[in-house]
Amino acid sequence: NAGVTQTPKFQVLKTGQSMTLQCAQDMNHEYMSWYRQDPGMGLRLIHYSVGAGITDQGEVPNGYNVSRSTTEDFPLRLLSAAPSQTSVYFCATYHRDGRSSYNSPLHFGNGTRLTVT
Amino acid sequence: SQQGEEDPQALSIQEGENATMNCSYKTSINNLQWYRQNSGRGLVHLILIRSNEREKHSGRLRVTLDTSKKSSSLLITASRAADTASYFCATRLSGSARQLTFGSGTQLTVLP
Repeated sequence: NAGVTQTPKFQVLKTGQSMTLQCAQDMNHEYMSWYRQDPGMGLRLIHYSVGAGITDQGEVPNGYNVSRSTTEDFPLRLLSAAPSQTSVYFCATYHRDGRSSYNSPLHFGNGTRLTVT
Repeated sequence: SQQGEEDPQALSIQEGENATMNCSYKTSINNLQWYRQNSGRGLVHLILIRSNEREKHSGRLRVTLDTSKKSSSLLITASRAADTASYFCATRLSGSARQLTFGSGTQLTVLP
């Protein structure tokens, strides 16, 4: 199993450009999410999905769009990149199993490092 | 505002010593989790402690939870150079299975 795969690993964008960060998982996890990691800020939740066709906003959703058409994929779209979106982006998943999903650990990809100039 | 805050922000110790990191949080939780992040990599789950538990062990890791003080500690015994990483606590709030809120982390350096 590859687990959680993120592509690309690195990306440089100019202000105003758009791009999609890809996240794919082969663990059949229902829950998928996107976090951004900035120095001194920890990880902040951008968007999440509890299953195909269902998405919801996290703590910092502005400037990002998501969709979930399949269980395996959860792309993150930047429609018009801004320098404030320079960050490291992580996709994370977990298995939901009724009430025990409260105790499910997150599985992370290795991140996409994005620089917006 | 962040739910979890780690202390210290950075810690440097010699190989073989014990490392203790602390996490404080603000509101009632369902559980608290600790993750490790090696440089340039994603986070890896270490251990989870439920709100009705006070202490948990996993190998060289010992986690305590004091819900009255809203705090947790992670102890790594007999540290190794390979333990060098950032360590994050994350809290799952009561009534919210969906969101895990992370602190800003402790950077641990273990010197050989």
